[in-house]
Amino acid sequence: EPEVTQTPSHQVTQMGQEVILRCVPISNHLYFYWYRQILGQKVEFLVSFYNNEISEKSEIFDDQFSVERPDGSNFTLKIRSTKLEDSAMYFCASIPRVKMNTEAFFGQGTRLTVV
Amino acid sequence: SQQGEEDPQALSIQEGENATMNCSYKTSINNLQWYRQNSGRGLVHLILIRSNEREKHSGRLRVTLDTSKKSSSLLITASRAADTASYFCAPYNAGNNRKLIWGLGTSLAVNP
Repeated sequence: EPEVTQTPSHQVTQMGQEVILRCVPISNHLYFYWYRQILGQKVEFLVSFYNNEISEKSEIFDDQFSVERPDGSNFTLKIRSTKLEDSAMYFCASIPRVKMNTEAFFGQGTRLTVV
Repeated sequence: SQQGEEDPQALSIQEGENATMNCSYKTSINNLQWYRQNSGRGLVHLILIRSNEREKHSGRLRVTLDTSKKSSSLLITASRAADTASYFCAPYNAGNNRKLIWGLGTSLAVNP
């Protein structure tokens, strides 16, 4: 069964460093998302991406964040200068084309720890 | 807000018992989805119920939807210790950029 793949599963980085979280969505999907979950808190929407551009972003998704789909398969989330409060689980998700009543497919997540 | 609010926030039952979790939401929806998350792991889709459906079954799962009350329930029958996880409802409106807005979930503990 097709699945969304995220790498790495866990990343530890020093405050101020740049990190890139990688996702390979399911190949025929068109809508892509990043969500994050700080430990013990709600899953929060960060950004949605469609037709090679951001379709919506949340207040969390400030100038430190960017997304790219450089080669038609990978979907990356970059945090330019990490802060302690960026420590969280980051989930990538994708939704197939045009079908309205379909679930979102989530990756297993990348646990980012900023020290 | 499109966010689903789960109730109760925590539920502890014995293996073999049924677990019922409720969800309320505020906006119109195309469907409502239930997900499960094991501690520190990814979100796993359990079941999707469309806005024109009232009840749906999948294995030991039974989901109901009452759009007039903007509420849904998830019933897990004959629970097992492996059902221990957090459960989230996600009301979905395709007009909302197809994103999902999450509540705090129900933390279910099934004791052997």
